[in-house]
Parts: sequence; C-alpha cells; structure tokens
Amino acid sequence: GAGVSQSPSNKVTEKGKDVELRCDPISGHTALYWYRQSLGQGLEFLIYFQGNSAPDKSGLPSDRFSAERTGGSVSTLTIQRTQQEDSAVYLCASSLSPYEQYFGPGTRLTVT
Amino acid sequence: QKEVEQNSGPLSVPEGAIASLNCTYSDRGSQSFFWYRQYSGKSPELIMFIYSNGDKEDGRFTAQLNKASQYVSLLIRDSQPSDSATYLCAWNSGGSNYKLTFGKGTLLTVNP
Repeated sequence: GAGVSQSPSNKVTEKGKDVELRCDPISGHTALYWYRQSLGQGLEFLIYFQGNSAPDKSGLPSDRFSAERTGGSVSTLTIQRTQQEDSAVYLCASSLSPYEQYFGPGTRLTVT
Repeated sequence: QKEVEQNSGPLSVPEGAIASLNCTYSDRGSQSFFWYRQYSGKSPELIMFIYSNGDKEDGRFTAQLNKASQYVSLLIRDSQPSDSATYLCAWNSGGSNYKLTFGKGTLLTVNP
C-alpha cells in the first residue's frame, strides 16, 4: 500500500515568509508525528496527534510553529515568519501502534 | 533532561565483521527502544524495537537492552557495505504517548 507522503519535497523561502508543509499518513493510522532534522543532527520531536485526543505540542520550538490534523488524516505544519534557524528537513511519520512509526520522505526547508 | 546518548562515531568496520552500536539513556521511565537506519538523504526506517531486558535477534541484527544500566545496543553480524548508514536509537515512555526521543545517530561505514 501507499506509504506516508509529504509535500512539497523541497521548499525555499525568504526569511519572514510563512510556509505550510503537508503530510498524508498511511490510511488507517491513528497516530501522526512531526519531527525535524537539522544538518548532522538527530530527529527532534515537534508535535504528535493521536486519534481525537488533544495533540502533544511539547516539542514545538516557538509559537511561530503550529500544526493541525483535519478529519484524523492529513496534517499541515505551518511556520510563520520563518527564520534561518528553521532550515531543516521536516519529517512526518504515522503509526497504528507504539512500535512502528513509518516516515515520509520529508520536506527540505531552506530559509534564505 | 531526558536524553539519549549514542557512542561517538563515525564507526568503520571491514566487511564481514561485527558492528557494535551503543546508546545510553537518562530517563528510567523509558519503556521501549528502537533502532532506525537512515541512508544519506533518505528518511529513517525501523530496524527493530525492544522493550524487555535481554537480547532480541532478527536476522543479522541483535538488539540488547539492559534497563538497570540504562543502555541499549545494536549488533550487526556479517556487516555488508549496504549496511553503511547512520543508525539512530530512540525511546518512548510507553503508555498512550508514542512520541520518540532520538539520539544524534552513529555513522557506520562498512569497507569492502
């Protein structure tokens, strides 16, 4: 079946602009996660959605970051007033259990 | 601060050797542990997970967990050049929150 998809694959934006990143999880997966990976670094947790529960936003680095998940499926991560330190690969994952998270191909964000 | 520390890399082994990757964690509340493989420019893929003390084997891979000493390791037997990648360890705290905390990763190179 289809895996996790993300769009766009690459995004170049100017400092101060807003960006939206999209994630389509695997059909039927109740949990959805956003992580980011800066160059040479491990993955940093951003936000986690589980079913109809309130999302765990504990990893969002500032109030410029927000995310929503509509209809328990597609999710959008929004970064307002982008800064150069926001440049990273943003990875989305989905899962049906605690043991297997499937990652999408990521969106490479470059803020100039 | 809840952290995952991985043994410093990069690690280089000859083809056919055993590669040993180690990870220590600081949070005794950690429940489940994961090893992911990430090829350059690609997203992470799950190799295996472990949540009970002891060894868990899957093909050429063996995960070892020692909760008393707070470490988890991954052994790769008969290493192949195709195993060359960054290996990320991660944990979650169990319960209903599936989010993962990742280490920074160890770059493994298997030389033909």
